[in-house]
Amino acid sequence: GAVVSQHPSWVICKSGTSVKIECRSLDFQATTMFWYRQFPKQSLMLMATSNEGSKATYEQGVEKDKFLINHASLTLSTLTVTSAHPEDSSFYICSARSPPFGGGGPQETQYFGPGTRLLVL
Amino acid sequence: GQNIDQPTEMTATEGAIVQINCTYQTSGFNGLFWYQQHAGEAPTFLSYNVLDGLEEKGRFSSFLSRSKGYSYLLLKELQMKDSASYLCAGMDSNYQLIWGAGTKLIIKP
Repeated sequence: GAVVSQHPSWVICKSGTSVKIECRSLDFQATTMFWYRQFPKQSLMLMATSNEGSKATYEQGVEKDKFLINHASLTLSTLTVTSAHPEDSSFYICSARSPPFGGGGPQETQYFGPGTRLLVL
Repeated sequence: GQNIDQPTEMTATEGAIVQINCTYQTSGFNGLFWYQQHAGEAPTFLSYNVLDGLEEKGRFSSFLSRSKGYSYLLLKELQMKDSASYLCAGMDSNYQLIWGAGTKLIIKP
């Protein structure tokens, strides 16, 4: 249990285009999902917390107009990188917070999707 | 403020035992998590401690001392596939994870 998927796994796009990344919890409902970014050889950086049915909470320094988050259902959150530029190239990882049971961990455990590699040319 | 400290890098030999330490300061405390992250992949959940003591799960064990703000991950019978980064994360009173920078573990034959 507690499987999280992400799509796509790889994106290569031209500068100025928008890219949408989907995060789905496959076997549980997640009221809260998280979006992280990780540059090579650096630690995870939390970008925003996505709550179903309400606006996302962004971390300091993350532009909410550039990184649009929509948590439309209990199993789906999307991150749209608008007008992507080469400096946005990174590894984007989502996680979903587990329900009170299942997954092998306690409630509140975050289970990660496989990540999406974005390369902006 | 909130902070998680863990060593940047450790090296160990295949078949040996290694202990990765983590100290934490969080606003409130709802548990301590350990994740494993192989290069180029997303983190995977390893363990969770919220009470003092040792939790054993196969070759991996995790320890917590709440009074000392301290945890460690113990890996026994090291295998080459254990080469990865190990992330320590404390959960604060708002159930938010505060992440350490990770410890890169290098296993040598």
